[in-house]
Amino acid sequence: DVKVTQSSRYLVKRTGEKVFLECVQDMDHENMFWYRQDPGLGLRLIYFSYDVKMKEKGDIPEGYSVSREKKERFSLILESASTNQTSMYLCASSLFGGGEETQYFGPGTRLLVL
Amino acid sequence: RKEVEQDPGPFNVPEGATVAFNCTYSNSASQSFFWYRQDCRKEPKLLMSVYSSGNEDGRFTAQLNRASQYISLLIRDSKLSDSATYLCVVNLGNTGKLIFGQGTTLQVKP
Repeated sequence: DVKVTQSSRYLVKRTGEKVFLECVQDMDHENMFWYRQDPGLGLRLIYFSYDVKMKEKGDIPEGYSVSREKKERFSLILESASTNQTSMYLCASSLFGGGEETQYFGPGTRLLVL
Repeated sequence: RKEVEQDPGPFNVPEGATVAFNCTYSNSASQSFFWYRQDCRKEPKLLMSVYSSGNEDGRFTAQLNRASQYISLLIRDSKLSDSATYLCVVNLGNTGKLIFGQGTTLQVKP
């Protein structure tokens, strides 16, 4: 079974803090993704990566950065957390290929920024 | 206009009922289509892919209409355990990127 793990299930941070969310997958997948999920808005792609040290902006990258130093690990960084970044953050991974690949999600991190 | 649109519901149905969800997508270049299921406070998981010829997996049937740009999911003989949010998902091309609808919530009542 594919396993995608995220470093925290719940996080509470203060405005202005730097926040690190980590994601690790154990299936040697090339693609990794970070989404946020908000009521009424669904899942929105923040950043994704096709390979180590590669990153691409998704639909809502503002206020976020990412790091992929190892194939199995993809980190999401909130440089200076703001209250509008309170959300559920979901990491996913998939094999690299022609677009039919299943994305496997981690359990999510619920972030509250006060 | 959203790229993938779904009626958020909720759809409240009794056990044993047949229920259908539709989803429309705006980009005619979309190449592959999926339904994901998300249980309350859990992560999304693939339910089934949607093929042009239509496909069935047990009580679940998915259909694609490229001309009208919509996808459907039919659930027969609903079970309590089918209660979840169903996400319509579209892949625009060979990028691996997926576009998610906001989901349709199904509640199956005894």
